[in-house]
Amino acid sequence: GAVVSQHPSWVICKSGTSVKIECRSLDFQATTMFWYRQFPKQSLMLMATSNEGSKATYEQGVEKDKFLINHASLTLSTLTVTSAHPEDSSFYICSASPALTDHQPQHFGDGTRLSIL
Amino acid sequence: AQKITQTQPGMFVQEKEAVTLDCTYDTSDQSYGLFWYKQPSSGEMIFLIYQGSYDEQNATEGRYSLNFQKARKSANLVISASQLGDSAMYFCAMRVKGAQKLVFGQGTRLTINP
Repeated sequence: GAVVSQHPSWVICKSGTSVKIECRSLDFQATTMFWYRQFPKQSLMLMATSNEGSKATYEQGVEKDKFLINHASLTLSTLTVTSAHPEDSSFYICSASPALTDHQPQHFGDGTRLSIL
Repeated sequence: AQKITQTQPGMFVQEKEAVTLDCTYDTSDQSYGLFWYKQPSSGEMIFLIYQGSYDEQNATEGRYSLNFQKARKSANLVISASQLGDSAMYFCAMRVKGAQKLVFGQGTRLTINP
C-alpha cells in the first residue's frame, strides 16, 4: 500500500527557533501533498496544499511567511515553522495520494508533535 | 461548500458489541467520495473505508461497514464485534469530484470497555 513517512516525530525547541518537518511518499510519486494542524481533541485543520514545482496554496488565515512549504520533488514536501513561538506548539501531519481520483484515499504520515518552550 | 457533521463527541461501548458512528454531510455536488479514518492516541491517521456517491452497495472492509443513505446524506460507520484496540478517534471525511481537499468532521472518540 501507499506509505507516507513524516520526520521528525517529536520536536522540542526554544522559542525563536525554526523547525523543519519532512513528508515523504515512499512508494509512489505525489504531485500534491497536504499539511494539517491538529489541536488536542480537535479535528484536522488544513493549512496548505503543497504542489510539486510550484507555490503552495495556503488556506485562509494561515501565515505564508510563518509556515514555509517547499515541494521540490515528487516524493518530498517540507514544512518549516519559522521563528516558532509557544502558540505554534501543535500536532502537524501531512498526507499524500498516489492519484487524486475520487476513490483514492489520502495516506497520512505519522505526524509531528511540536513543542516550543 | 462542503460540510461534515459528526454529532457524537464520545461513545462508550462494551467489548464485542457492534457500534455505529454517525456522519452526515452537506454538499450540492452529485459526485463525491466519503472516507472514514481512525486516529489512535499515537496520532497516525488510518484509512478504514471508502464509499462513492454512485456506489449502489454499502462498502464493507472486514469488521467495518458503511451504512450509506444518500437521500438522508448520511454515511454512518458500523464496527462489528468491537475490540479494545478499536478505542480511538474516528473521523468522517468527504471529497467532491475534481477537488483535492478532504473536508473532515469534528470526530468521535470511541472507547471500548472490557
